[in-house]
Amino acid sequence: EAQVTQNPRYLITVTGKKLTVTCSQNMNHEYMSWYRQDPGLGLRQIYYSMNVEVTDKGDVPEGYKVSRKEKRNFPLILESPSPNQTSLYFCASSMITPGRIYAQYFGPGTRLTVT
Amino acid sequence: GIQVEQSPPDLILQEGANSTLRCNFSDSVNNLQWFHQNPWGQLINLFYIPSGTKQNGRLSATTVATERYSLLYISSSQTTDSGVYFCAVERSRGSQGNLIFGKGTKLSVKP
Repeated sequence: EAQVTQNPRYLITVTGKKLTVTCSQNMNHEYMSWYRQDPGLGLRQIYYSMNVEVTDKGDVPEGYKVSRKEKRNFPLILESPSPNQTSLYFCASSMITPGRIYAQYFGPGTRLTVT
Repeated sequence: GIQVEQSPPDLILQEGANSTLRCNFSDSVNNLQWFHQNPWGQLINLFYIPSGTKQNGRLSATTVATERYSLLYISSSQTTDSGVYFCAVERSRGSQGNLIFGKGTKLSVKP
């Protein structure tokens, strides 16, 4: 079954304790992306990757890191989480061709609470 | 940067009614997609539609790129259509891969 998986689905942590949210896709997609969703603000892009070892900042990258060492995985790293990073996080992937991204497939979401 | 505005922000329908959701964007785009987020939070891609018209069952979408808007039509609405509908665009100039979402239209379909 074609899918994007995220782990963990729910996480409660404390300020400053490093954490990683994993994302994996089995569709051989080149493009992967992380979003956060907050009430009243909709979905905002954190980081994206056009292929292995190619990553770029989205609109809200502060406080986050990513890496893309393998095509199927795109982990999101919070080195020192703060309460303003409490949010619902989504990973997505899609095919691309030069100049165009195609339909995105989303993971189930990770609800993160930082106290 | 590019602005994406969706209207209306909220919509309440009786089951069986039709509706039109709008997405306006402020710059030329390579890519426009419509998504549905169901009440359980799952995001599903409805249409990839940078231009033209597509139909999928009771849903159809039209993008007029030259006039910078897209419309999502829902006919004979059902309670399962409830949720939030988002459009997202990728600008044609600048950073490829940077997707901007509208704030969504929250649809409630009453039985």
